[in-house]
Amino acid sequence: AQSVTQPDIHITVSEGASLELRCNYSYGATPYLFWYVQSPGQGLQLLLKYFSGDTLVQGIKGFEAEFKRSQSSFNLRKPSVHWSDAAEYFCAVGGDRSYIPTFGRGTSLIVHP
Amino acid sequence: DADVTQTPRNRITKTGKRIMLECSQTKGHDRMYWYRQDPGLGLRLIYYSFDVKDINKGEISDGYSVSRQAQAKFSLSLESAIPNQTALYFCATSDGPSGNEQFFGPGTRLTVL
Repeated sequence: AQSVTQPDIHITVSEGASLELRCNYSYGATPYLFWYVQSPGQGLQLLLKYFSGDTLVQGIKGFEAEFKRSQSSFNLRKPSVHWSDAAEYFCAVGGDRSYIPTFGRGTSLIVHP
Repeated sequence: DADVTQTPRNRITKTGKRIMLECSQTKGHDRMYWYRQDPGLGLRLIYYSFDVKDINKGEISDGYSVSRQAQAKFSLSLESAIPNQTALYFCATSDGPSGNEQFFGPGTRLTVL
């Protein structure tokens, strides 16, 4: 069975600081990996995804994530956070027979001015 | 216009009432999903449908039922609402397997008193 762990429930950063949100997955083969963002009062929007190939994936809004098979991780990074990045971030893993992704519990990002 | 719409956006109801949440999409996707979101628990899959004649239970289907009226419409019903069904409900769509991204509606906030 596939599963995702997001170890941090809340992360607080100052505007302009760098950001890394952690995601660890469990899956027997090469997974499909996703990061979604949920802004207040909104649905989820895809930031980026990894299927194969280059392990460093670029996404929208200046985000990137790196797939590390040896660590079963897919951490999300941004070099300089903006106040508008305050949101809930979800990591998801897919790849089982139905290809339905399993979501982590989310990390809430708080940005201080 | 939004690709995935949900009605109503907010609903307050009483214990024991029957409630229907509706989802419509204009993306032409075959796959549709219903999730509920609770604080600290992330998104949990209630039901999913791969086409009009295919309905499947997710991890938390008890107390819920669904109807796929057409490719573009997927409704979620609570036959007899209870307070622990108070949550944020999301509809999503995707275009087939292979880990394609999901597109989410804006959500329905349901409160059961």
